[in-house]
Amino acid sequence: DTGVSQNPRHKITKRGQNVTFRCDPISEHNRLYWYRQTLGQGPEFLTYFQNEAQLEKSRLLSDRFSAERPKGSFSTLEIQRTEQGDSAMYLCASSPGQGDSPLHFGNGTRLTVT
Amino acid sequence: AQSVTQLGSHVSVSEGALVLLRCNYSSSVPPYLFWYVQYPNQGLQLLLKYTSAATLVKGINGFEAEFKKSETSFHLTKPSAHMSDAAEYFCAVSDRGYNQGGKLIFGQGTELSVKP
Repeated sequence: DTGVSQNPRHKITKRGQNVTFRCDPISEHNRLYWYRQTLGQGPEFLTYFQNEAQLEKSRLLSDRFSAERPKGSFSTLEIQRTEQGDSAMYLCASSPGQGDSPLHFGNGTRLTVT
Repeated sequence: AQSVTQLGSHVSVSEGALVLLRCNYSSSVPPYLFWYVQYPNQGLQLLLKYTSAATLVKGINGFEAEFKKSETSFHLTKPSAHMSDAAEYFCAVSDRGYNQGGKLIFGQGTELSVKP
């Protein structure tokens, strides 16, 4: 169990640029979640995959955000035309999706939009 | 809809003192409840979970929590605080069972400080 891996750990970008983050879940975990966490707040749900299917998206996920999990393994989260309000920690979590198995979180990608 | 309220954004205790972090939930279905801990610049680590078995749940690092349906509470306690317990703690409720693809809904967090 190597844990959930997220890259990059930090990303600084200028407003208007596009950014992409990657998440590698724990091997054989079929569920993958993206959350966003702003300073002093709890994580907010963005979207969720079961294998390659994106099953749920939050209203927080505007049309500038897109997430994919093309082969049911790693996932990418892309933000187009970034805004300063997008600055946050983006957390990925995975789960085997069986019984009461918990979510395992990665260390996150911290995005700063200048 | 499910929601979580954590009372107190910051709690400070002395080393060796009791730790009590409060969490109240709202759920339209029997809830699955969780406590996670987050250290600076890291992801969240599961402390413990309640999934409709025993109402007193024991977790890692000496933490435990009691599910009280009548009070809609799931408070986190530890008899004796250690300096290493200083972190941010999040209570969360699942909108469905995990095996039904439930997502976690988090509270706003409580920062625990431990004084020597």
